[in-house]
Amino acid sequence: GQNIDQPTEMTATEGAIVQINCTYQTSGFNGLFWYQQHAGEAPTFLSYNVLDGLEEKGRFSSFLSRSKGYSYLLLKELQMKDSASYLCAAEDSNYQLIWGAGTKLIIKP
Amino acid sequence: IAGITQAPTSQILAAGRRMTLRCTQDMRHNAMYWYRQDLGLGLRLIHYSNTAGTTGKGEVPDGYSVSRANTDDFPLTLASAVPSQTSVYFCASSPGTGNTDTQYFGPGTRLTVL
Repeated sequence: GQNIDQPTEMTATEGAIVQINCTYQTSGFNGLFWYQQHAGEAPTFLSYNVLDGLEEKGRFSSFLSRSKGYSYLLLKELQMKDSASYLCAAEDSNYQLIWGAGTKLIIKP
Repeated sequence: IAGITQAPTSQILAAGRRMTLRCTQDMRHNAMYWYRQDLGLGLRLIHYSNTAGTTGKGEVPDGYSVSRANTDDFPLTLASAVPSQTSVYFCASSPGTGNTDTQYFGPGTRLTVL
């Protein structure tokens, strides 16, 4: 079957670095999305990885290893506004997104 | 401001009633989607539409129907609501046909079925 695994909750300190992991098993694979979702709001796009390696976008970076079925989202210089859920979604061979349950990130001062 | 709007924002509904959730986008995106989001579960696709005039079933289509008469609108109908349909419903759209492009989400509709 198709499955996405990511930690339910993580806690980090303001100004620090945090890595949120995601492993996936899908019927075929086209790419990996990361979305941010603040409580009570809609998900918003953060990154999309197709090729292996690290893609950096400001304070946020996303890594993909297709052979390992693994991705991570790296958040640097954490700010209180980064408190949110982070959703991992893998695109299968039918271009349908399979979503993880999300990782709730709690930032402490 | 371009984007996706959903209505209503929230609704409490008696079981057995019919309900239509509205979704409109003004970005001229070809593809549109309906998801439900439940605590502890990932977003689950209910129905999708790759282009106006076509629709398809997602992971959890039972009890729901959709139509896509034009590019902008993609309403979701619950013919006879049941308590298990209590959820937050998100509409999304993407520029391309299919799921190859980034999806943009509406603000959501919080539905409670009693």
